[in-house]
Amino acid sequence: EAQVTQNPRYLITVTGKKLTVTCSQNMNHEYMSWYRQDPGLGLRQIYYSMNVEVTDKGDVPEGYKVSRKEKRNFPLILESPSPNQTSLYFCASSVSPGGNEQFFGPGTRLTVL
Amino acid sequence: RKEVEQDPGPFNVPEGATVAFNCTYSNSASQSFFWYRQDCRKEPKLLMSVYSSGNEDGRFTAQLNRASQYISLLIRDSKLSDSATYLCVTDSWGKFQFGAGTQVVVTP
Repeated sequence: EAQVTQNPRYLITVTGKKLTVTCSQNMNHEYMSWYRQDPGLGLRQIYYSMNVEVTDKGDVPEGYKVSRKEKRNFPLILESPSPNQTSLYFCASSVSPGGNEQFFGPGTRLTVL
Repeated sequence: RKEVEQDPGPFNVPEGATVAFNCTYSNSASQSFFWYRQDCRKEPKLLMSVYSSGNEDGRFTAQLNRASQYISLLIRDSKLSDSATYLCVTDSWGKFQFGAGTQVVVTP
């Protein structure tokens, strides 16, 4: 089944404890992206990747890191999480960004205490 | 000011009625435009891409006005299953901007 998977789906952590949210797609997509969704603000792009080893900042990259060492994986790293990073996170992928459908993972609900 | 603005609604629509709403975007360099549907904070799913000439997919019609920088969505013969939040999305070379969404509630 073609899909985007994210792990974990739910996470409660404490300020400053490094964490990684994994994202994997099995559709051989070139493009992958991370978003956060907060009430009233909609989805905001954190980072995106056009291809392996190519990543770019979205609108809200502060406090996050990403890497794209393999085509299928695009982990999101929070080196020192803070409470303002409490949010619903979505990973997405598409064949390429230009005019193509993005397929989203199921989301990761993160709470930073 | 957000780059993509939408009326948050809710738009309360009787079953079988027509509802229309739009969004405005500020980045004139945007190249691709979409409507996504999101149910109860689940993952967004593509409803339709939006083309300059306008396009239709069953009961859904989308229009793009590049000169005025707005995108519209019209839903005909609304079904209960159309109740959702509709997200307006623009893309500029891989940088996506999402509106906060318009909530539609279809009532029996």
